[in-house]
Amino acid sequence: ETGVTQTPRHLVMGMTNKKSLKCEQHLGHNAMYWYKQSAKKPLELMFVYNFKEQTENNSVPSRFSPECPNSSHLFLHLHTLQPEDSALYLCASSPLRGSSYNEQFFGPGTRLTVL
Amino acid sequence: AQTVTQSQPEMSVQEAETVTLSCTYDTSESNYYLFWYKQPPSRQMILVIRQEAYKQQNATENRFSVNFQKAAKSFSLKISDSQLGDTAMYFCAFNPSGGSEKLVFGKGTKLTVNP
Repeated sequence: ETGVTQTPRHLVMGMTNKKSLKCEQHLGHNAMYWYKQSAKKPLELMFVYNFKEQTENNSVPSRFSPECPNSSHLFLHLHTLQPEDSALYLCASSPLRGSSYNEQFFGPGTRLTVL
Repeated sequence: AQTVTQSQPEMSVQEAETVTLSCTYDTSESNYYLFWYKQPPSRQMILVIRQEAYKQQNATENRFSVNFQKAAKSFSLKISDSQLGDTAMYFCAFNPSGGSEKLVFGKGTKLTVNP
């Protein structure tokens, strides 16, 4: 597979469930990101990982727990979510060029519904 | 704070016509990157075009071109010869250079191309 892949593409879960979203990038990039995209809201950056180290946690509730075991894989562990967490969750990756990062490459997203 | 504003929540255009989407941003940086991303309905977000602030020449990619006005902090996207496949959400994004790996996104403009 090429680019950025995400699994599952759709997920329905109850508020007491525990689930995980997976993201994999095949581009050799060093930075990976989780975004939340809700209707009529701008993209919300959740977490940033740079060379497997978390460099940004944008005040995300602890019911979202990221994990980055290596530069190619990124997980988002979910537990005791709320209905308002229903959204499209996008993963992205970005290369390091010189001293700054350029464009981000996005996965197709996981459409999450919390019942 | 660095912000990106897209003042047109929705736009429509007839097939084969030209449309311009507006974007303004706020930054105190002197060198940075600007991007337009396209997100078709239920499909992956992809990069349309990017502009480096130190380059005065406006970027062009086939039917897509930008009008970059650095002093005015304006970065509009022009789509020529609009096609039905151009129907999508368009997001303007900003990346300050100097090691930041984050993108700041606008709220998006929903473009509909009518036959």
